[in-house]
Amino acid sequence: DQQVKQNSPSLSVQEGRISILNCDYTNSMFDYFLWYKKYPAEGPTFLISISSIKDKNEDGRFTVFLNKSAKHLSLHIVPSQPGDSAVYFCAASARGAGSYQLTFGKGTKLSVIP
Amino acid sequence: DSGVTQTPKHLITATGQRVTLRCSPRSGDLSVYWYQQSLDQGLQFLIQYYNGEERAKGNILERFSAQQFPDLHSELNLSSLELGDSALYFCASSVLAGVEQFFGPGTRLTVL
Repeated sequence: DQQVKQNSPSLSVQEGRISILNCDYTNSMFDYFLWYKKYPAEGPTFLISISSIKDKNEDGRFTVFLNKSAKHLSLHIVPSQPGDSAVYFCAASARGAGSYQLTFGKGTKLSVIP
Repeated sequence: DSGVTQTPKHLITATGQRVTLRCSPRSGDLSVYWYQQSLDQGLQFLIQYYNGEERAKGNILERFSAQQFPDLHSELNLSSLELGDSALYFCASSVLAGVEQFFGPGTRLTVL
C-alpha cells in the first residue's frame, strides 16, 4: 500500500511558466514533508520542506503548499527554467512518532521546454 | 556535492554472490540511512543507524545487513544475491534532530 502517491509520472511545462507538482498521502502520522529533485546518475537533492503546523513554505522560486485536511501537498516552481528538468520526489516522515525514515512517492519527471 | 560519498559507483556480480556497499556520511552527521530504488519504484527505506546503533528498520530482506563503524562510515552487505536485487542503492545522512537527509550519488548494483 503506497502511503505517498505522485499520480503524474510526467509533466511538461513551457519555460517561464509555472510548474505544479502534486503529491497525496494516506498516513495521518506524517507530520513533515519534503521535496527532492533528482538528475540522472545522481542522488536526490533536498529542495524544500514543510512541517504539518504550516500550510505554506517558500524558498526563492519554490513554494510548497500543504492541505492537511485533504492530505495533499504541491510544489510550485515559478518561473520554470530548463535546468529544473529532473525527477521530483515527494517524501514524508512521522517525526512526532520518533520516526525519521522517509517514505517516498514514485516521482514526477518534469520537462521544461525552452 | 552533498558531502556523502558512496563506493563503488557500479557493481556487477552474479546470482548467489555477496557484495558490500560503502557509505561515508557528511562531516558531523551521526545518522546514516540506506534506501533501495528498483526499476519503476520510488526509494524504499531499508535501515537507519545512529552513532553506531541500529535505529529503524524498513523493508530490508534477511539476506541484507548493515552496520555503522566508530568512524561513522556504514556498510550495507547483500548476500545470496538474486536477479531482483539489481537496483540503485542510496545512502543518506543527517543529524538526528533534523529530517533533511542528504543523499550520496548511489551504487548501481547489477546481478546477472
